[in-house]
Amino acid sequence: QKEVEQNSGPLSVPEGAIASLNCTYSDRGSQSFFWYRQYSGKSPELIMSIYSNGDKEDGRFTAQLNKASQYVSLLIRDSQPSDSATYLCAALGTGYSTLTFGKGTMLLVSP
Amino acid sequence: SAVISQKPSRDICQRGTSLTIQCQVDSQVTMMFWYRQQPGQSLTLIATANQGSEATYESGFVIDKFPISRPNLTFSTLTVSNMSPEDSSIYLCSASENPGVNTEAFFGQGTRLTVV
Repeated sequence: QKEVEQNSGPLSVPEGAIASLNCTYSDRGSQSFFWYRQYSGKSPELIMSIYSNGDKEDGRFTAQLNKASQYVSLLIRDSQPSDSATYLCAALGTGYSTLTFGKGTMLLVSP
Repeated sequence: SAVISQKPSRDICQRGTSLTIQCQVDSQVTMMFWYRQQPGQSLTLIATANQGSEATYESGFVIDKFPISRPNLTFSTLTVSNMSPEDSSIYLCSASENPGVNTEAFFGQGTRLTVV
């Protein structure tokens, strides 16, 4: 069974700090990985995608992928209170059809 | 990215009744998906809605309970049938424009269903 594991948190960081969110996946055939942000009561919003080993940067966000370790991470630099949300990691399974989501990590950024 | 409109945004329904949720995408998309998200939980895939063929259901979900239509490349509906309080959840529609390694999925606003 395909699984995506995340620490449920909450992860608490002060404003301006770096938040580090981690995710592991079980399906070694997965090729594509996504981070979604979900505010309470709202639907998930795609913030980063990564397909190759290494780092991918977009503004304050950096996604990191290590396929050998089956590990994905998301770094948020200069964290803001508005970043407080649940972050969902998702992996696209073999065959590029359906996403498997982790349970999400709640991030709390305190002013 | 595709813009997905989902309605209703919320509803309170009596047990034993059915509710149909509509999902409209502003562009043609190959794949549409229906998820359920229970309070404090992650997303669980109910089914993949395929245009021109029957939906593909995940383990634990059946067509009689969650019939799905996909009449064209921009629209899908999910019906929650013979509802019970256990069906109270958020239902989310999602769409991907092109399947493949670079595919990205986007979500509608969700439907918050309460069954009383």
